[in-house]
This record gives sequence, structure tokens and C-alpha cells, in this order.
Amino acid sequence: NAGVTQTPKFRVLKTGQSMTLLCAQDMNHEYMYWYRQDPGMGLRLIHYSVGEGTTAKGEVPDGYNVSRLKKQNFLLGLESAAPSQTSVYFCASNDRGEQYFGPGTRLTVT
Amino acid sequence: AQKVTQAQTEISVVEKEDVTLDCVYETRDTTYYLFWYKQPPSGELVFLIRRNSFDEQNEISGRYSWNFQKSTSSFNFTITASQVVDSAVYFCALSEVLTGANNLFFGTGTRLTVIP
Repeated sequence: NAGVTQTPKFRVLKTGQSMTLLCAQDMNHEYMYWYRQDPGMGLRLIHYSVGEGTTAKGEVPDGYNVSRLKKQNFLLGLESAAPSQTSVYFCASNDRGEQYFGPGTRLTVT
Repeated sequence: AQKVTQAQTEISVVEKEDVTLDCVYETRDTTYYLFWYKQPPSGELVFLIRRNSFDEQNEISGRYSWNFQKSTSSFNFTITASQVVDSAVYFCALSEVLTGANNLFFGTGTRLTVIP
């Protein structure tokens, strides 16, 4: 039982490049989330999903897209990366109110 | 709207001292959860506690204790006899049940440094 995993752990992008972050969970959770963590800001919700095939915007969705084609996977996409998207990204899944977090992805956009 | 305030940005204590981390929240919902997470220097988020809004009993787990007071909208966290391993950033968070999505709203965190 791996819990919540994130791929990759680290990535450096140039401005304008695109990439996809993968989150996978093996706990059969319905709800999944993407957060970003910036210094002094705590964690902020980007997008979330309440089930396979559904997605919704969170607090800071601009510049990101998501997809939940399979229940166990939640993908976060950056179509044209900007330096303001330099951050640590955390994925989480939810089971009746308790959220389980992945280890995080550190993304740097130069 | 939901809001979680952790007014203490950084705290330093000497080992074996007790320390309390403050958390004040705002919500219009009557049903919600409150959480505390620990983020050590390694970066992962470690779940510490979840408290239902209908349960105001204080909780103790080893050296950790939590004081939940709905009257003051506070959910404070106390570490007794602090240790160097307690050095981390601690986040308080709120989840509103009625929205159905259980999204977490985080405070900005308190960095605790325990000096040996």
C-alpha cells in the first residue's frame, strides 16, 4: 500500500514550457486535490476532484489544468509555465474528511 | 468565508520548555473539521490530529495536546517538554463538511525551532 505518490519529485522548466505532474493513490479514495505551497503562504488549493471524470477549481486555478480519467490518478498540467508557478506542489486524497498527502514535487520555472 | 489565522510566524524555545501554537479560524458552517499538520525540514506533511466541530473535548497524545474552544474559534496546540525533533513548521487547517468536497484551508504556518 503506497498511499499517495507523486511524479516527478523535482523538475526545472523554462518559461513557456509545458509539463504534467502525476498523482496516484491506491486507497480507492473518491476525492483528490492539488495544492501549492509558497513561502509564507501556507498551502493553497489549485484544483480538486470529487470522483472519476470530475474536476473543479480551487482557490488559485489560473495557469493550471487537471484531469481525472481514472479514479486512482489525478494529473496537473501546466501548459505554459511561468516563474510565478515556481512552488512545491502537493497532491492529496481524501477518505471521509482525513486527507492523505503525497511527498510533494518541487518545481522551478526559470 | 473560511479563514485560518496563525499569528505566530516563528517561535524559538529551549529544549524541555513548553510551547503553544495558536490557531484561530473563521467559518460560517456549523459542521467542520480542524486539523494540525507538521512539516519537518524533509518537507512532507505529517498528519497530527483531526477534530470534529461537535467535539470540544481537549485531546492529549503523549507530549502533544490540543485545546478546542468554539466560543473563541480557536484550536491551539501545545507541545510539552519540547525536543529538538519537534523543530518544524506546523500548519492548522479547516475543512468544511457541508460543501461536500472536504477542501482544506490552511493557515500560513508557524515555524518552531527548538534549541538544544
